[in-house]
Amino acid sequence: SQKIEQNSEALNIQEGKTATLTCNYTNYSPAYLQWYRQDPGRGPVFLLLIRENEKEKRKERLKVTFDTTLKQSLFHITASQPADSATYLCAPEGNAGNMLTFGGGTRLMVKP
Amino acid sequence: DAGVIQSPRHEVTEMGQEVTLRCKPISGHNSLFWYRQTMMRGLELLIYFNNNVPIDDSGMPEDRFSAKMPNASFSTLKIQPSEPRDSAVYFCASSRQGFPYEQYFGPGTRLTVT
Repeated sequence: SQKIEQNSEALNIQEGKTATLTCNYTNYSPAYLQWYRQDPGRGPVFLLLIRENEKEKRKERLKVTFDTTLKQSLFHITASQPADSATYLCAPEGNAGNMLTFGGGTRLMVKP
Repeated sequence: DAGVIQSPRHEVTEMGQEVTLRCKPISGHNSLFWYRQTMMRGLELLIYFNNNVPIDDSGMPEDRFSAKMPNASFSTLKIQPSEPRDSAVYFCASSRQGFPYEQYFGPGTRLTVT
């Protein structure tokens, strides 16, 4: 069955540093992958989408990579700020249609 | 646009009672998704609809759960009878149909079954 793994331990970094979050998947080959941000008490918010034929995607301070050989996506936040503190969820394509399968999320804490 | 609207925001009920969660998707979105989020299991897809038709309900845990979408602007998720293990945050999300457009999530309903 499909399995998506994100580091369940919180990632603590200093303001201004680059945060790198990892998403690994097994037992299938998604055609695309999305990343979402979730703040406490709120629903997830879409950040970026990357397709299997795209190695890298950027949006302002965010960068996502998609390595279909390694079955891994990396999510980077450069020049991190305390306001970036949240849980980040990766969501590869699900079984069919426009379904998504969400990973467990990684909590990022950026300290001033 | 007001975004995805869910009601109620919080629900506390006793075991055995019927619970109905409601969702209004963003106007113009043809796909609607119901998710459940818990610390142990994360964010799980329960069911999703395209053009008001249920496409995949394989995530619905038991026959106690049912979902309907009578029209493009309203959906319900019903649990009957409710059990303590149903306690979770239930999210509704909507998106445009077709290519994997991003999903817009509502604020969620926090359900507590005692």
